[in-house]
Amino acid sequence: DLQMTQSPSSLSASVGDKVTITCRASQDISHNLAWFQQRPGEVPSLLIYGASTLQSGVPSRFSGGGFGTDFTLTISRLQSEDVATYYCLKFDGAPWTFGQGTKVEIK
Amino acid sequence: QVHLVQSGAEVKKPGASVKVSCKSSGYTFTNYYVHWVRQAPGQGLEWMGWINPHDNGAASAHTFQGRVTLTRDTSIDTAYMELNRLTADDTAVYFCARGRAAVSLPIATVPLGDWGQGTLVTVSS
Repeated sequence: DLQMTQSPSSLSASVGDKVTITCRASQDISHNLAWFQQRPGEVPSLLIYGASTLQSGVPSRFSGGGFGTDFTLTISRLQSEDVATYYCLKFDGAPWTFGQGTKVEIK
Repeated sequence: QVHLVQSGAEVKKPGASVKVSCKSSGYTFTNYYVHWVRQAPGQGLEWMGWINPHDNGAASAHTFQGRVTLTRDTSIDTAYMELNRLTADDTAVYFCARGRAAVSLPIATVPLGDWGQGTLVTVSS
């Protein structure tokens, strides 16, 4: 089965820092990659789909890139409200597969 | 405005079954897939499967095949997830989420853009 591997599993950064999370697919998934944010105690929220398309209403400090097997989620200037766990998701077809998550904290 | 409202928390004994409902509003129910995702306490998100309300097609993760049944009732715009032979490892919050379009639409559709509030299922003897 397809595996989605995120790194790092957790990180701590200062407000205003640039943060990058990576997601690697075990096989080519084209651009069928989405990113989700889940703040503590909340329902997951879609940030990016199609590897790089920002969901409506998501701040522009979030960006996504990549194609095929290697993808990134970048927060250009980390804010306190970005404390959350971030998940990548391979979508379309079946099965869909989430990465294991990356927990982002403020230093 | 899209809303997905799930049924309430459940407590089940090992070996039992649970059926969670997800009522949709604010859009044409049969036009979009409905997905199910679960999250065990302190753990990550796990995709379970999807149902196509338009044609009743369904697919599930290998982990759940033979144990999960995804159904829908188009008369009340509601999707259901039933999980059988429960064990303690099935203790989790179960989410439904609206997927991409199940029919041809003149707009771009996004994966899992709208979520239900979650249903806690506790399996305990």
